[in-house]
Amino acid sequence: QQPVQSPQAVILREGEDAVINCSSSKALYSVHWYRQKHGEAPVFLMILLKGGEQKGHEKISASFNEKKQQSSLYLTASQLSYSGTYFCGTESETSYDKVIFGPGTSLSVIP
Amino acid sequence: DVKVTQSSRYLVKRTGEKVFLECVQDMDHENMFWYRQDPGLGLRLIYFSYDVKMKEKGDIPEGYSVSREKKERFSLILESASTNQTSMYLCASSGGRGRSKNIQYFGAGTRLSVL
Repeated sequence: QQPVQSPQAVILREGEDAVINCSSSKALYSVHWYRQKHGEAPVFLMILLKGGEQKGHEKISASFNEKKQQSSLYLTASQLSYSGTYFCGTESETSYDKVIFGPGTSLSVIP
Repeated sequence: DVKVTQSSRYLVKRTGEKVFLECVQDMDHENMFWYRQDPGLGLRLIYFSYDVKMKEKGDIPEGYSVSREKKERFSLILESASTNQTSMYLCASSGGRGRSKNIQYFGAGTRLSVL
């Protein structure tokens, strides 16, 4: 079953922060985050495994709460280059190796 | 860097035609996937393959078939194209070891229009 993402779309000014949420009805083994810029292929950002970890890369970080089957992606002090569609992908404990992607969150950063 | 190459960026076909979408990866990955991407629906899995000559149905396999004769190549086939198959098609591959083995690498996509 496809994970749910919220919000569907968000518009930010440069320097503002954003949070994108991903939730599943299934027990999860891992959550992936990808970004797709307009006209380009989705690109992997990070993976979080069962264990409630938090990962980060510069000003983009994510958390995974396996008990709530939720993950959040945090974008801090957004830059124009952050614009794109963000997808979460989930691997369930019963369907390991198969990643199901959410519908995506469109993020636009304006000057 | 992993490279996943899809044979066409844009394709226009007529209803009823047989359509082949080709995908090649250069990282010796075991797993390959075909998705279609539609506005508001995200990436939906059509078929995937864990090995040569092996295929598994994804969430929306109806109207599609696949072929994997060689490890690096995964083809998506529309036996008789219909207008509701107009979409962006993305191929992906994954492999490797440990935590990274399920990270997917995507091709640039093929935008198919069926008239």
